[in-house]
Amino acid sequence: DAGVIQSPRHEVTEMGQEVTLRCKPISGHNSLFWYRQTMMRGLELLIYFNNNVPIDDSGMPEDRFSAKMPNASFSTLKIQPSEPRDSAVYFCASSLSGVETQYFGPGTRLLVL
Amino acid sequence: SQQGEEDPQALSIQEGENATMNCSYKTSINNLQWYRQNSGRGLVHLILIRSNEREKHSGRLRVTLDTSKKSSSLLITASRAADTASYFCATDYNQGGKLIFGQGTELSVKP
Repeated sequence: DAGVIQSPRHEVTEMGQEVTLRCKPISGHNSLFWYRQTMMRGLELLIYFNNNVPIDDSGMPEDRFSAKMPNASFSTLKIQPSEPRDSAVYFCASSLSGVETQYFGPGTRLLVL
Repeated sequence: SQQGEEDPQALSIQEGENATMNCSYKTSINNLQWYRQNSGRGLVHLILIRSNEREKHSGRLRVTLDTSKKSSSLLITASRAADTASYFCATDYNQGGKLIFGQGTELSVKP
């Protein structure tokens, strides 16, 4: 089992550019979570999907952030336009509905200059 | 905020000693989980304790839960240098799979 796969692992971009982060959950898992981790705010849940449907996006900071899950094996988190305060590590996690344990990917370290 | 609070924020001990971390939360929960994060890596699930359980063991880990005090503790016995990491508690409030993470305890185990 390859675990949760995230790409890219590192991203450096300039303010105003569009950033797309990608996640492949563990095969068979039907819940997917996007988190953001910063020193100031800790680990924050941005949005989560169940069976490809967004269930709770109350953590999405603002309209510049959007997330999609077109199928059970792929999700994207997009920031457009990016700002320096978006710099953080973004994690994707997946779980099997009814099983509470979440499996985290290695994260994408984003730096917006 | 529904976020759990962890105490201490940082803990430094010698190899072989026990490490105890505490977590407090604000509202009723379905379960509480502990995760470990090594520097620069993703979080790894350690143990889950349900609201109707009071204590759980897994290897060198012991977790307690006191729902009347809305608190939990994680004990790592006979610590090793490889236990050096950040430890997070996470609470499940609504059975929807949504977890709220605490700020974490940074544990340093010196050889």
